[in-house]
Amino acid sequence: KNQVEQSPQSLIILEGKNCTLQCNYTVSPFSNLRWYKQDTGRGPVSLTIMTFSENTKSNGRYTATLDADTKQSSLHITASQLSDSASYICVVSRGANFGNEKLTFGTGTRLTIIP
Amino acid sequence: DTAVSQTPKYLVTQMGNDKSIKCEQNLGHDTMYWYKQDSKKFLKIMFSYNNKELIINETVPNRFSPKSPDKAHLNLHINSLELGDSAVYFCASSPDWTGLNTEAFFGQGTRLTVV
Repeated sequence: KNQVEQSPQSLIILEGKNCTLQCNYTVSPFSNLRWYKQDTGRGPVSLTIMTFSENTKSNGRYTATLDADTKQSSLHITASQLSDSASYICVVSRGANFGNEKLTFGTGTRLTIIP
Repeated sequence: DTAVSQTPKYLVTQMGNDKSIKCEQNLGHDTMYWYKQDSKKFLKIMFSYNNKELIINETVPNRFSPKSPDKAHLNLHINSLELGDSAVYFCASSPDWTGLNTEAFFGQGTRLTVV
């Protein structure tokens, strides 16, 4: 069964601290893994997209890692800011056959940054 | 300028009614999607259209009928609304339908409440 599980479900940290969010998946065949940030009441916004051959990818203070062997990914946020408060969703794409690309979404981690 | 725009943002309606949600993208993308996000914040794809043609229909009840008059628009019409249809519906677009390494841009969502 193709699944994407994220942990923790929710996380509260102090402003300025670092944190790491986890994503484990069983999706096969694997095409790519994406991390999205969803602010309350808004649509998801892409942070990173990683393919099988990429181990790490950064986008400002966000760094995503991927271990395709263990089917695990993490999103590390450095020097957190209040604006980082959001839900972070891990999305895994199955191998695309003609017209059959499928995205499996995780349920997200709700991150709250407190001053 | 909004890249993917949905209207309305909020929709409250009675059971049994028929309603439509409109979506437009000004990114020149070939592929558009409708996603449903339930109360547990889980995003699930409903439809995918490429150049006005249906690519994916994820076993959505036939009360839901997407319509794509051109590749910049993908509207969602729902007949005989039920309580279980209450959710946030997101429209998205991406450059092509393969989804490989391409970012999907999401609209702000339409919160549908059926009473």
